Amino acid sequence: GAVVSQHPSRVICKSGTSVKIECRSLDFQATTMFWYRQFPKKSLMLMATSNEGSKATYEQGVEKDKFLINHASLTLSTLTVTSAHPEDSSFYICSARDSGAMSTNEKLFFGSGTQLSVL
Amino acid sequence: SQQGEEDPQALSIQEGENATMNCSYKTSINNLQWYRQNSGRGLVHLILIRSNEREKHSGRLRVTLDTSKKSSSLLITASRAADTASYFCATGYTDKLIFGTGTRLQVFP
Repeated sequence: GAVVSQHPSRVICKSGTSVKIECRSLDFQATTMFWYRQFPKKSLMLMATSNEGSKATYEQGVEKDKFLINHASLTLSTLTVTSAHPEDSSFYICSARDSGAMSTNEKLFFGSGTQLSVL
Repeated sequence: SQQGEEDPQALSIQEGENATMNCSYKTSINNLQWYRQNSGRGLVHLILIRSNEREKHSGRLRVTLDTSKKSSSLLITASRAADTASYFCATGYTDKLIFGTGTRLQVFP
């Protein structure tokens, strides 16, 4: 089955630093990837849609300058949390859609997530 | 918020029993999907049901969809301890998937 690799799985950083999270589709091309944020025992909240070769589309309330998304190739999207603060601590999950999927929102393949802890 | 809601929020059962989770959503959909998440991990796709389908089976999973009531249910039959996880419904909304609030299932051996 399709595999999405997300790295790192866990990161601890100091307040004010930036953290980059990578999401790679390993055996398929993904023109679209999605970034979600999840608080403990809560659901996934969509942050942004990452589009290969163009600007990401952010959901309402998500700061574009805070969460920088780059989707430079068909297999890689990155999320950079800039000037991280303790309130940014969360579980971040990426997902990718197979570009060959029949409809625009067919099943997604998820990375294993990144637990970010900002001290 | 477009987010759907699931009930119950938490469910504890014994191995061998059936587990039923319900999902309600707010918008028109193309499809509805169910995902499973083990603690602190990514999500695994379980089953997809299209808006013109009413029921679908996959192994021990049975999903129903009632678009008039904007609701779906997931039934896991003959549950196992390994089924312990959180289960989320997700609705296809334009080109996005919007996740429900989730049900935490605990299956005791």
